[in-house]
Amino acid sequence: GAVVSQHPSWVICKSGTSVKIECRSLDFQATTMFWYRQFPKQSLMLMATSNEGSKATYEQGVEKDKFLINHASLTLSTLTVTSAHPEDSSFYICSASPGQGSHEQYFGPGTRLTVT
Amino acid sequence: KNQVEQSPQSLIILEGKNCTLQCNYTVSPFSNLRWYKQDTGRGPVSLTIMTFSENTKSNGRYTATLDADTKQSSLHITASQLSDSASYICVVRGPMFSGGYNKLIFGAGTRLAVHP
Repeated sequence: GAVVSQHPSWVICKSGTSVKIECRSLDFQATTMFWYRQFPKQSLMLMATSNEGSKATYEQGVEKDKFLINHASLTLSTLTVTSAHPEDSSFYICSASPGQGSHEQYFGPGTRLTVT
Repeated sequence: KNQVEQSPQSLIILEGKNCTLQCNYTVSPFSNLRWYKQDTGRGPVSLTIMTFSENTKSNGRYTATLDADTKQSSLHITASQLSDSASYICVVRGPMFSGGYNKLIFGAGTRLAVHP
């Protein structure tokens, strides 16, 4: 149980375009989903926290207009990188929490974004 | 400042040998501590979780220890296998932030390479 999937697993896009990454909880309902970014040889950095049906809470230094997060259902959250630039190239990982007293976070397999 | 520091940054061992990874934290208040294994290009997978009152927790060939007084944890890997090659991340669940969730404080990880 507690499986989280991400799609796509990797994506290459041109500078200036937008890219959408999906995060799904497959066998549980996720009240809260988290988006992380990981640069090579560095640890995960929290970008934002999203609760179903409400606006995401962004960490300091993360541009909310550049990284659009939508958590429209209890099993799906999306991260859209708008007007992507090469410096946005990174490994994006989501995690999901069932809530209802559980503070467990189950991590997805990650999405490798390369902006050329 | 809430921080998690891991050592060594990287480690190379021969297959079949044992190794111990270290984690020191300054997170307060402390909720629990997890060790994750992250294969290259994949999301983190939980190995062990320890609360304040637990000193040792095993999961197969992985044994984690926790000293809440000195704020130190270790992960011991016994009879290493080639498939153990990965990054091992120490994560401490820290203070609660807005939204009612405790923030995860990530260490930078130890990159372990097991050679034949």
